[in-house]
Amino acid sequence: SYELTQPSSVSVSPGQTARITCSGNILEINYGRWYQQKPGQAPVLVIYKDTERPSEIPERFSGSSSGTTVTLTISEAQFDDEADYYCYSAADNSGVFGTGTKVTVL
Amino acid sequence: EVQLIQSGAELKKPGATVKISCKASGYTFTDYHVYWIRQAPGKGLVWMGLVDPEDGRTIYTESLQGRITITADTSTDTAYLEVRSLTSEDSATYYCVTGYLANYWGQGSLVTVSS
Repeated sequence: SYELTQPSSVSVSPGQTARITCSGNILEINYGRWYQQKPGQAPVLVIYKDTERPSEIPERFSGSSSGTTVTLTISEAQFDDEADYYCYSAADNSGVFGTGTKVTVL
Repeated sequence: EVQLIQSGAELKKPGATVKISCKASGYTFTDYHVYWIRQAPGKGLVWMGLVDPEDGRTIYTESLQGRITITADTSTDTAYLEVRSLTSEDSATYYCVTGYLANYWGQGSLVTVSS
């Protein structure tokens, strides 16, 4: 089975840049997505096809890809960006989520 | 507006079966797959499977194959997830998801398995 590995936590100061990586072999052949999840809420899609951003998501969220790693970048981080972030990719006839990263803004 | 409204919280005993519903509205139900994702308390997201409402085709994650059934009723635009032989490990919030980008999520259904 496929695995996607993320750092368990990332800390960032308000106004600074946070980068979250997601690594896995499947990312070399399939696109990655990123979901943001705040406590008690359903996840929200913030990046798809590695780099595309839904229209309702702020421009400070961006994605990039290189080889077996996709990266979510949060520029000029705000307190409201504090959440868990999960990468995701399709794999054969299934899907797989990353291990999740808790982003703390302090 | 696309909406997915899920059934309410359930308390089940070990060994029992739970069936969760996901009522879709605001789009053509057969246009997109419906996925089921679960999240144990304090844990990460787990992809469980999907149904194509157009033809009923399903795909299940290997670890749950044989214990779950996902169906779609096009007469009511409702998808269902059934989980059998419940254990405490199945205690989780279950989400249905749809959309071309899998960007529409239900509100979640909490299932608690306890004796």
